Amino acid sequence: DARVTQTPRHKVTEMGQEVTMRCQPILGHNTVFWYRQTMMQGLELLAYFRNRAPLDDSGMPKDRFSAEMPDATLATLKIQPSEPRDSAVYFCASGPDRGGNQPQHFGDGTRLSIL
Amino acid sequence: SQQGEEDPQALSIQEGENATMNCSYKTSINNLQWYRQNSGRGLVHLILIRSNEREKHSGRLRVTLDTSKKSSSLLITASRAADTASYFCATDEGNNRLAFGKGNQVVVIP
Repeated sequence: DARVTQTPRHKVTEMGQEVTMRCQPILGHNTVFWYRQTMMQGLELLAYFRNRAPLDDSGMPKDRFSAEMPDATLATLKIQPSEPRDSAVYFCASGPDRGGNQPQHFGDGTRLSIL
Repeated sequence: SQQGEEDPQALSIQEGENATMNCSYKTSINNLQWYRQNSGRGLVHLILIRSNEREKHSGRLRVTLDTSKKSSSLLITASRAADTASYFCATDEGNNRLAFGKGNQVVVIP
């Protein structure tokens, strides 16, 4: 089965450090989503790409977060500088763009702890 | 953005029993989707029901949608220990963007 692959699965680092999370969407999927999951807030949409172009990143703190798709097989989410409140599980999801009514396919996430 | 809200938040049942979860939302939707999340894993899509559909089945899953009440229910019949997970409803307002509820923890006791 095709799967969304996220690396690393776990990351522990000290506040102030740069964190880069990577995602390989399913081949042929042209929509990519980044989510953050915490106990308090649940699942929050951070950014959304279609055909590698960012369509919506309003859920992302702009001063420290950035999301890019250097090519169709790689999406990155960077935090610089990281803060303890960024500790969460970050999920990438991809989906086909066939005019709506499509499920999203999730990776297993990056569990991030900022000390 | 709107969010689905699941009810009840946590459910504990015996294996073989049915589990029912409800989800409410606030605005017009394109479709509503249910996902399952096992501990430490990503969400897995279970079923999608379009706004013009009222009921849908997939194996042991049955989903209903009442757009007049802005609510949906997920029924898992003959539950198994492997059904232990968190279940999320998500509403699609268009452009495939999903707004997720907080999730519903289901524990199936063998």
